[in-house]
Amino acid sequence: AQSVSQHNHHVILSEAASLELGCNYSYGGTVNLFWYVQYPGQHLQLLLKYFSGDPLVKGIKGFEAEFIKSKFSFNLRKPSVQWSDTAEYFCAVNARIKAAGNKLTFGGGTRVLVKP
Amino acid sequence: DTEVTQTPKHLVMGMTNKKSLKCEQHMGHRAMYWYKQKAKKPPELMFVYSYEKLSINESVPSRFSPECPNSSLLNLHLHALQPEDSALYLCASSQWGEETQYFGPGTRLLVL
Repeated sequence: AQSVSQHNHHVILSEAASLELGCNYSYGGTVNLFWYVQYPGQHLQLLLKYFSGDPLVKGIKGFEAEFIKSKFSFNLRKPSVQWSDTAEYFCAVNARIKAAGNKLTFGGGTRVLVKP
Repeated sequence: DTEVTQTPKHLVMGMTNKKSLKCEQHMGHRAMYWYKQKAKKPPELMFVYSYEKLSINESVPSRFSPECPNSSLLNLHLHALQPEDSALYLCASSQWGEETQYFGPGTRLLVL
């Protein structure tokens, strides 16, 4: 069974600071990895995803993530955060179950608070 | 258009009530999902429907009964719920063979 762990539960930083959120996964098959963001009072939105190819993926709103297979990691980064990046961030891994569909497993989430 | 809609936005029900949650998408997606998200926790998968057939049930209690009447609609029927079932219920959909899931805004359920 797959599992995802996010090391930081809460992160507080100031505007213009750099952000890095850690994510490690455990899964025996081909991985499809995602970062979702949940802004206060809003629904889950896809930030970026990795399926294959270039391990450095770029997403929306200036976010990027790097897939390091040897470390089973998929860390999220943003060079300079804004107050509007205050949200909860979830890393997720997808397991494709033959003929049955996709099973998405989420990490515990990281609450990010950006102070103006 | 990557929109998944859910109704109602909020629902309060007693333990003896029967209610239903509704989810709709018009993206032509053939896989639809129900997740449960407790406060300050990540979403947890409950059910997966593929081509209108239930394909994954994550050992969810029978007081939750999913239904997929057509390729655009997904319902979750609720009966005899417990207060610990209070949570945000999220619906998602994806194209068959494509792993990216698109989420609706959720229904916030309170069981009294």
